Amino acid sequence: DIQMTQSPSSLSASVGERVTITCQASQDISNFLSWYQQKPGKAPKLLIYDASNLGAGVPSRFSGSGSGTDFTFTISSLLPEDIATYYCQQCDSLPTFGGGTKVEIK
Amino acid sequence: QVQLVESGGGLVKPGGSLRLSCAASGFTFSDYYMSWIRQAPGKGLEWLSYISGRSGYTNSADSVKGRFTISRDNAKNSVYLQMDSLRAEDTAVYYCARGLRPSDYWGQGTLVTVSS
Repeated sequence: DIQMTQSPSSLSASVGERVTITCQASQDISNFLSWYQQKPGKAPKLLIYDASNLGAGVPSRFSGSGSGTDFTFTISSLLPEDIATYYCQQCDSLPTFGGGTKVEIK
Repeated sequence: QVQLVESGGGLVKPGGSLRLSCAASGFTFSDYYMSWIRQAPGKGLEWLSYISGRSGYTNSADSVKGRFTISRDNAKNSVYLQMDSLRAEDTAVYYCARGLRPSDYWGQGTLVTVSS
């Protein structure tokens, strides 16, 4: 199975600050990587697919980059409504998720 | 609009069985892979199984292979997860999702509790 190492596991940032989350795959997954946002008590929501493509209706402050084994997810300017846990997911083979990053407001 | 509604969760004893259903609407169901994903209380996401749209090809995570079976009925726009030999560690919210690359729409989830 492909392992996804996501970091950090949590972070605290100020409103308006740039936030970056990384995800590393245990082997080359090309660009078969998605990012999801999950708010408490809610289902995950797709934000980014194929490493860098924005999901439908997703604000442009969210972005993704990378290929192969190293990937980055960025919120360009953190808003209060972005408080959530974010997960990366590889879908090159049997899908697997990263451990999640809990984003809080400082 | 796309809607996925899971049902069938509840309390079941260890060793028991449960069948989850996911009713889909708002899209051509047979055109899409469907997936099941779960989340144990306070934990992260764990992908379980997927099934292709027309051929019914399936694949499952090792943690549930041989115990959980995914199936679909395209005439009823529904996907199912038959769960057998349930264990305490299967306690989780179970989500169905449309698609595989990526899973672009998710249901609200159904809670399965395995306890004596």
